[in-house]
Amino acid sequence: GQNIDQPTEMTATEGAIVQINCTYQTSGFNGLFWYQQHAGEAPTFLSYNVLDGLEEKGRFSSFLSRSKGYSYLLLKELQMKDSASYLCAVMDSNYQLIWGAGTKLIIKP
Amino acid sequence: NAGVTQTPKFRVLKTGQSMTLLCAQDMNHEYMYWYRQDPGMGLRLIHYSVGEGTTAKGEVPDGYNVSRLKKQNFLLGLESAAPSQTSVYFCASNPTSQAPQHFGDGTRLSIL
Repeated sequence: GQNIDQPTEMTATEGAIVQINCTYQTSGFNGLFWYQQHAGEAPTFLSYNVLDGLEEKGRFSSFLSRSKGYSYLLLKELQMKDSASYLCAVMDSNYQLIWGAGTKLIIKP
Repeated sequence: NAGVTQTPKFRVLKTGQSMTLLCAQDMNHEYMYWYRQDPGMGLRLIHYSVGEGTTAKGEVPDGYNVSRLKKQNFLLGLESAAPSQTSVYFCASNPTSQAPQHFGDGTRLSIL
């Protein structure tokens, strides 16, 4: 079966750094996406990785290791507005997204 | 710059009633999707469309039907609503299958 695993909830302090991990087992791989979803709102696209390595975009970075079936999202200089759920999704061999249940990130002052 | 618009935003139905959820996108995207989001679970694909006049089943299609008569619109129908269909429904679109998906604000549906 296809499976995406990510922690259910994480807590971090404003100004700090947090790493949200995602491991996956899917039938085929055509890229991995990270989305942010604030409570009661739509998911919004953050990053896309298809090759191994680190992609940096401002305060957010995403890393991929295809051989390990592993990705992480790194958030630096945390702000209160970063409190949200972070969704990991893998595109399988049929170009359909398989979604993790999301990691709820709580930022404390 | 509307993007993806879903109507209605909220709805309460009784078991057995029918309704249609409308998704409209103004980005000329070929691909459109309907998902449901339930607590503790990832988004699950109900149906999708790869272009005007086409539809295909996703992971959880039972109890739902869809139509894509116009490129910009993707309709999701519940013929006989059941309490198990209580969920938040999201529509999404993208220009190509590998591009990031753009989401609507969701429809919160409760079935009593």
